[in-house]
Parts: sequence; C-alpha cells; structure tokens
Amino acid sequence: EAQVTQNPRYLITVTGKKLTVTCSQNMNHEYMSWYRQDPGLGLRQIYYSMNVEVTDKGDVPEGYKVSRKEKRNFPLILESPSPNQTSLYFCASGYREPSYNEQFFGPGTRLTVL
Amino acid sequence: AQKVTQAQTEISVVEKEDVTLDCVYETRDTTYYLFWYKQPPSGELVFLIRRNSFDEQNEISGRYSWNFQKSTSSFNFTITASQVVDSAVYFCALTLTGGGNKLTFGTGTQLKVEL
Repeated sequence: EAQVTQNPRYLITVTGKKLTVTCSQNMNHEYMSWYRQDPGLGLRQIYYSMNVEVTDKGDVPEGYKVSRKEKRNFPLILESPSPNQTSLYFCASGYREPSYNEQFFGPGTRLTVL
Repeated sequence: AQKVTQAQTEISVVEKEDVTLDCVYETRDTTYYLFWYKQPPSGELVFLIRRNSFDEQNEISGRYSWNFQKSTSSFNFTITASQVVDSAVYFCALTLTGGGNKLTFGTGTQLKVEL
C-alpha cells in the first residue's frame, strides 16, 4: 500500500530536549516536505527536499533541521524545542512537478513542548 | 508570492442543506494547480481534487462539485445535501509548476453539519 508514515504520532516533551520526527514513504517520490499546522494559520511549509542530499528552507524553517540521506526518509529534527513549536506536523511526498500527481500526506504528529 | 484566502472560518449547516466553501487565490503565474483537502476530526489530510489552471471545467463527484473561475481567481467547493460525516476542516491549496511542489494553503474552513 502506497503510504507516508510518521513517528511518533503523539509526543509531549520539555523545552530544550532534542527530538526527531521520522518520515518515510514507499512511493519512490523525489520530493518530500514538512508542514506545520497551527490554528488560524493553515499549513505552512518548514523544509523541503527535491531529492537525496538536496534540501531547502520553506516558509518557517527557524528552529528545525532536516536531512535526506535516503530517498525514502526525511526526518525532522528539533535540536532545542521551544513551546512555540507546539503544533501538528505533517510530512508529505510527491513528484517534483505537481502535474504528475497530488502530494501524499502522512497521518500527522502532534507535538507538545512544555 | 502566491496566496490562498478562505474567508469563511466556520460554517454551520443542518443536514441535507447545500453548502459552498469559498477559495480565492493569488498568483502571477499562468500555470498552477489548485487543490482541496479535507481534514476530519481524526486529523489526517484527505485529498479531494486537483485542478490545473488550463482546465476551467467544473467537476462533480457524487455530492461534491467544484467551480473554477480564473476570471475571479476562485475555486469554490460545494457539498450538496450535506451529511454529518462531512463535518471537517477543508483546506484549499495552490502550487506552481517549475521549481518544486510546495503547497500554499489557505487557513481552512471548519464545516459543522448538524442533525
């Protein structure tokens, strides 16, 4: 089954404790990205990757890191989480050009930073 | 820069009513794609439709229909004979071609369908 998986689905942590949210897709997509969803703001892109070893900032990259060592995986790293990073996070994958297909989203990770 | 506006923050209807969710977009590009996603209370994002900028034909899928009008930069979504299961947050989104697949989302419309 074609899918994007994220782990963990729920996480409560404390300020400053490094964490990683994993994302994996099994559709051989070149393009992967991370979004955060906040009330009243919709979804905003954090980082994206056009292919292995190619990553770039989205609209709200501050406080986040990513890596793309393998095509299927695109982890989101919060080196020193802060309460303003409490949010619902989505990983997405797709082809580099939207003409080929829509993007597929993971189930979301609800993060709370105390 | 592109922008998507969903002016309706929340809509409440009674079951079986028709409801239209508005979406207005801004872009200087001539080639782009528009999307609607549904987010039920469980939280996942469910893809509903993708439409490219060269295809202005309206589309109908069961109780769902979409009206794309380039002249007014709108891509509105109508649910006919709404049901309680339609209760969700609906997002309109835009992406451009040639440089990635970034989605620019609107702020979403919360639809509540009551008995």
